[in-house]
Amino acid sequence: QVQLVQSGAEVKKPGASVKVSCKASGYSFTTYGISWVRQAPGQGLEWMGWVTAYKGLTYYAQNFQGRVTMTTDTSTSTAYMDLRSLRPDDTAVYYCARGGWELRPLDSWGQGTLVTVSS
Amino acid sequence: SYDLTQPPSVSVSPGQTASIACSGDGLGNKYVYWYQQKAGQSPVLVIYQDTKRPSGIPERFSGSSSGNTATLTISGTQALDEADYYCQAWDISTAVFGGGTKLTVL
Repeated sequence: QVQLVQSGAEVKKPGASVKVSCKASGYSFTTYGISWVRQAPGQGLEWMGWVTAYKGLTYYAQNFQGRVTMTTDTSTSTAYMDLRSLRPDDTAVYYCARGGWELRPLDSWGQGTLVTVSS
Repeated sequence: SYDLTQPPSVSVSPGQTASIACSGDGLGNKYVYWYQQKAGQSPVLVIYQDTKRPSGIPERFSGSSSGNTATLTISGTQALDEADYYCQAWDISTAVFGGGTKLTVL
């Protein structure tokens, strides 16, 4: 079955960067995109963008352009999300989800990674 | 930017039908997706392409769309359906989520 396993919780200082990983299994990694969605404490879902292993295509939400980079490693079926210049309001649970590329639904989700930004 | 609007909360008695609306300009021209998120858990896709249910989602979940409004309907609502529900649509290549609706079963 499809499974997405994310890296563990992170604590970062303002201005730092964080890189979250998402290891996929149970399907052909190169035929689906991986989207990243975050959820601040007590808030709703915010889509950040998607990446696909197919030609390394990416599409970022306007709010994150210039501050986020999404990549993949096909040798390990792992997607990565790198967010720079962290601010306290970047504190959130970050989810990866299969889908996004070619407007596909987000049909399987990782367990989430809590990123806390605090001085 | 494109916006989707949902009511913040909906209440329903066990066994009754719950309806959660999602509105947006021209929404009838886009596919709508619905996600269920229980407390402390990751979201789960419950409806895709307006009306389709993924494998494993109970038949009591259904979706519809007309004009500028899409609706998630839960028939015979059970206590375990208590959760936050989010609608989502694609605006070109950007995913847009509604603000979410807290469904209370009481």
